[in-house]
Amino acid sequence: DQQVKQNSPSLSVQEGRISILNCDYTNSMFDYFLWYKKYPAEGPTFLISISSIKDKNEDGRFTVFLNKSAKHLSLHIVPSQPGDSAVYFCAAKYSGAGSYQLTFGKGTKLSVIP
Amino acid sequence: NAGVTQTPKFQVLKTGQSMTLQCAQDMNHNSMYWYRQDPGMGLRLIYYSASEGTTDKGEVPNGYNVSRLNKREFSLRLESAAPSQTSVYFCATKAGISGNTIYFGEGSWLTVV
Repeated sequence: DQQVKQNSPSLSVQEGRISILNCDYTNSMFDYFLWYKKYPAEGPTFLISISSIKDKNEDGRFTVFLNKSAKHLSLHIVPSQPGDSAVYFCAAKYSGAGSYQLTFGKGTKLSVIP
Repeated sequence: NAGVTQTPKFQVLKTGQSMTLQCAQDMNHNSMYWYRQDPGMGLRLIYYSASEGTTDKGEVPNGYNVSRLNKREFSLRLESAAPSQTSVYFCATKAGISGNTIYFGEGSWLTVV
């Protein structure tokens, strides 16, 4: 039972355009969401997060949107740059029992074409 | 500031051999984790340690054991390696129940032949 789903294994975008990566979740207890970026041969690095009390969080070129009613979040990268080419993982957690764990999606490989 | 350090970075094992992956953190975090990453499977939690002295199973614990040696170190042991354990292993840490962000090491590439 996959609680965090990234339904697009890959995405290609032209440099300078917007990249939109999507993530859906099924567990309504999740109240904190994170995006990680992973380059080949490196560990995942934290990118941006959002609490369930917000619907948007912005950090430079990166914005995460949360739609709680749809159990959907998205990561927008504007403008996309070739250095953004990586695998992006969506992750979720909830407060309370078991809150030590993050549940990850399977990842979306973003390719930004120069 | 090393953050999360994993050793070894690469290892080839024969089926049935044992080995231990080491992880050390200098972030003074309470919680530590071992994940594995396989193609098309994302990051799956093997074991975690919420705090020093405690360990718990994650999503895919079979074939593994862990030891939280002290606050800094969390090791993952394969007692009898199997080809299905060929994977990339990531150690990670989090401040604890109050922390939201997990910080990963650079990974250990393990091949079992």
